[in-house]
Amino acid sequence: GESVGLHLPTLSVQEGDNSIINCAYSNSASDYFIWYKQESGKGPQFIIDIRSNMDKRQGQRVTVLLNKTVKHLSLQIAATQPGDSAVYFCAERAGNQFYFGTGTSLTVIP
Amino acid sequence: KAGVTQTPRYLIKTRGQQVTLSCSPISGHRSVSWYQQTPGQGLQFLFEYFSETQRNKGNFPGRFSGRQFSNSRSEMNVSTLELGDSALYLCASSAPVTSGRGSYNEQFFGPGTRLTVL
Repeated sequence: GESVGLHLPTLSVQEGDNSIINCAYSNSASDYFIWYKQESGKGPQFIIDIRSNMDKRQGQRVTVLLNKTVKHLSLQIAATQPGDSAVYFCAERAGNQFYFGTGTSLTVIP
Repeated sequence: KAGVTQTPRYLIKTRGQQVTLSCSPISGHRSVSWYQQTPGQGLQFLFEYFSETQRNKGNFPGRFSGRQFSNSRSEMNVSTLELGDSALYLCASSAPVTSGRGSYNEQFFGPGTRLTVL
């Protein structure tokens, strides 16, 4: 079956520092990956995505790294801000379905 | 463009009852997916509808069902509610996106319906 897991359930960082959130996946056939941010009381919000033929993609203050050899995905947030406090999910697409991790809770300390 | 809307936002039911949740996708989106989110399991895929047809289905019992209307609005129904059905039910709409990175479906989530079964 599919398995998408996060290495750390919680992460606390100082405001201004960089954050790294990790994710492992198990299906080598997964061809598309997404990071979502979910704030309390809201649905998940798309942050950044990456296809399996890439190993790095950058957005605004965020970078996603994909290591297909070890089936590992990471989200890097630069200069973390209080508004970044939320739960972050990775998701993989295998076939026509998406599979999600349980999430990492990021807390930014002012 | 309005986002995905879900109604109701909160619902309390008792065991054995049935419930119907509604989702209105982003205008122009024809695909609607439903997910169950619980603290221990994260998001789990329930089913996906496209053009009024169920296109994919997750591993949930037959008590969970859904449908999609011609205007792409979707409903999901849970019959004979159990305590373990308490969860946040999320709806996501998507449309194909073609860019230099190829084609993919970008999903947009609604705020969810918080169902509590007593």
